[in-house]
Amino acid sequence: GQQLNQSPQSMFIQEGEDVSMNCTSSSIFNTWLWYKQDPGEGPVLLIALYKAGELTSNGRLTAQFGITRKDSFLNISASIPSDVGIYFCAGQRGYGNNRLAFGKGNQVVVIP
Amino acid sequence: DTAVSQTPKYLVTQMGNDKSIKCEQNLGHDTMYWYKQDSKKFLKIMFSYNNKELIINETVPNRFSPKSPDKAHLNLHINSLELGDSAVYFCASSNQGHGGNEQFFGPGTRLTVL
Repeated sequence: GQQLNQSPQSMFIQEGEDVSMNCTSSSIFNTWLWYKQDPGEGPVLLIALYKAGELTSNGRLTAQFGITRKDSFLNISASIPSDVGIYFCAGQRGYGNNRLAFGKGNQVVVIP
Repeated sequence: DTAVSQTPKYLVTQMGNDKSIKCEQNLGHDTMYWYKQDSKKFLKIMFSYNNKELIINETVPNRFSPKSPDKAHLNLHINSLELGDSAVYFCASSNQGHGGNEQFFGPGTRLTVL
């Protein structure tokens, strides 16, 4: 199936730093979603984006739906230890189409 | 609690056995999914049911058979388990339709085949 290119695959950051990650595709998507997975748990939805150019925040998280509809980024500001986890991007190509394409994930490690 | 729940959380079994994983959602969603997450953490869709009807069936061995008795439940039965079936299996649910597909995941079932 359709794959999303997610980068970087892992990152080590100091507590308090901001972190940015992005997701790209060769195809246009109508929805972008960002999930976080804690160890031993299922992915949890962080932010959903539905319109090109849309910028949405959820606490210290900010995500944007790229103007070309082929990319999205997620920023975490002032990282804290509990930000540790795997962050997945996911995209949906068609309205009513319930298939999501997932990126391979970005492992974030926060160093106290 | 409103959520997607799965049982069991852990499942350890011998090769060749048959096992089932159960999933329930009380979110009122009409669509449910099974995903497999391998050791590299890649999430791969296996099946999707909408209102008890199969709508996504990826290239999965026919040893895997999903069953949806109602739209709040989607179970996964696996026959003749193989070593390569070891993985974490996630159930998810969403509401199909215009406007997006926010899928909500269960806590996962870690299957280990010995």
